Amino acid sequence: GQQLNQSPQSMFIQEGEDVSMNCTSSSIFNTWLWYKQDPGEGPVLLIALYKAGELTSNGRLTAQFGITRKDSFLNISASIPSDVGIYFCAGQGSGNTPLVFGKGTRLSVIA
Amino acid sequence: EAGVVQSPRYKIIEKKQPVAFWCNPISGHNTLYWYLQNLGQGPELLIRYENEEAVDDSQLPKDRFSAERLKGVDSTLKIQPAELGDSAVYLCASSSPTRWNQQFFGPGTRLTVL
Repeated sequence: GQQLNQSPQSMFIQEGEDVSMNCTSSSIFNTWLWYKQDPGEGPVLLIALYKAGELTSNGRLTAQFGITRKDSFLNISASIPSDVGIYFCAGQGSGNTPLVFGKGTRLSVIA
Repeated sequence: EAGVVQSPRYKIIEKKQPVAFWCNPISGHNTLYWYLQNLGQGPELLIRYENEEAVDDSQLPKDRFSAERLKGVDSTLKIQPAELGDSAVYLCASSSPTRWNQQFFGPGTRLTVL
């Protein structure tokens, strides 16, 4: 099925560093969601974005809904070991259409 | 508030055997989703229920997969017969009528078909 282009696929960073990842699509979305998945668990919703240009924060996490409605960005500031996991973006078109997920960005934090 | 509950967490079966997964959504969430997650991939929707009605099952391989949500609460996803390629994580999610675009996921069932 259709998937979003998420990058980078993986990243290794030092504890305390900031992290940026992004998601792009050939289709316009009305909603962008960012999830984090730990090993053996289901994805956990981090941030939901509903308007083009919207910038939303959740603690050390900040996400933005791209102006073109075809992309979204997630930033993590001052990373800590518990930030380790796989981060997924998901986009949704109009109405209650299915979420389309990216392949994830695997984040590793080196203490 | 309890989250989405799934069982079993792990299942190992031989090919051609049947298997069933169970999901209990968050209380008050009328929309329930079953997703398939292959290794290294994001979840992909199999079926969506609004109460007891399957409103989107276009991605469900109906020759071997079936699902039900009797009474509009718990749901069961079944595979019969299972094939090697069905090995994956099966995730259940739910959303509320007022925040239908915020889906909350269960821990998943990891299926291994030998």
